Amino acid sequence: AQSVTQPDIHITVSEGASLELRCNYSYGATPYLFWYVQSPGQGLQLLLKYFSGDTLVQGIKGFEAEFKRSQSSFNLRKPSVHWSDAAEYFCAVGAPKAGNTGKLIFGQGTTLQVKP
Amino acid sequence: NAGVTQTPKFRVLKTGQSMTLLCAQDMNHEYMYWYRQDPGMGLRLIHYSVGEGTTAKGEVPDGYNVSRLKKQNFLLGLESAAPSQTSVYFCASSYPGRTRNTEAFFGQGTRLTVV
Repeated sequence: AQSVTQPDIHITVSEGASLELRCNYSYGATPYLFWYVQSPGQGLQLLLKYFSGDTLVQGIKGFEAEFKRSQSSFNLRKPSVHWSDAAEYFCAVGAPKAGNTGKLIFGQGTTLQVKP
Repeated sequence: NAGVTQTPKFRVLKTGQSMTLLCAQDMNHEYMYWYRQDPGMGLRLIHYSVGEGTTAKGEVPDGYNVSRLKKQNFLLGLESAAPSQTSVYFCASSYPGRTRNTEAFFGQGTRLTVV
């Protein structure tokens, strides 16, 4: 079955520290991979995406993610966290082929708390 | 550019009441979706549409109906609300690129409470 797992429900880091949020997926083929961020009371904003090519992708707000096919992972990283990064982060996968429906499968989400 | 707009933002319903959530997008996207978000479960797909006049069931369709009479609008209906439908509902849209699908754009969400 297709699924996405975010093993860490809640993470707390100090401002200025580095961050890594984990994402593992189960899918029949290499899917499209996404990271979205949701600030409190807000909708979802796309941080970055991976379709193909370079396995290290850069996103907005200083985030990056690395696709590792052998580990079925797409972990999100940031070298120095800012207090404004406190939010909920969702990893999602989608079908890669054109003409597909664009449906997404989401992980459970990871809540990031940033300590001053 | 408004993107994806959901109406209303908040709503409280009594058990058994009905309501319709409206989603409108101004990006000329073919695909539209309704997801629900529950704590610890991420977002789950309720229904989706790949074009005007077409709809399909997602992962959790029971208790909901949808309609896509116009390309820019996607309506989600609850005929007889139940407390289990208390959730945050998100609408999203995307378009099929020439060679691959693209990312989804999300609305701000509708927080629905059924008492």
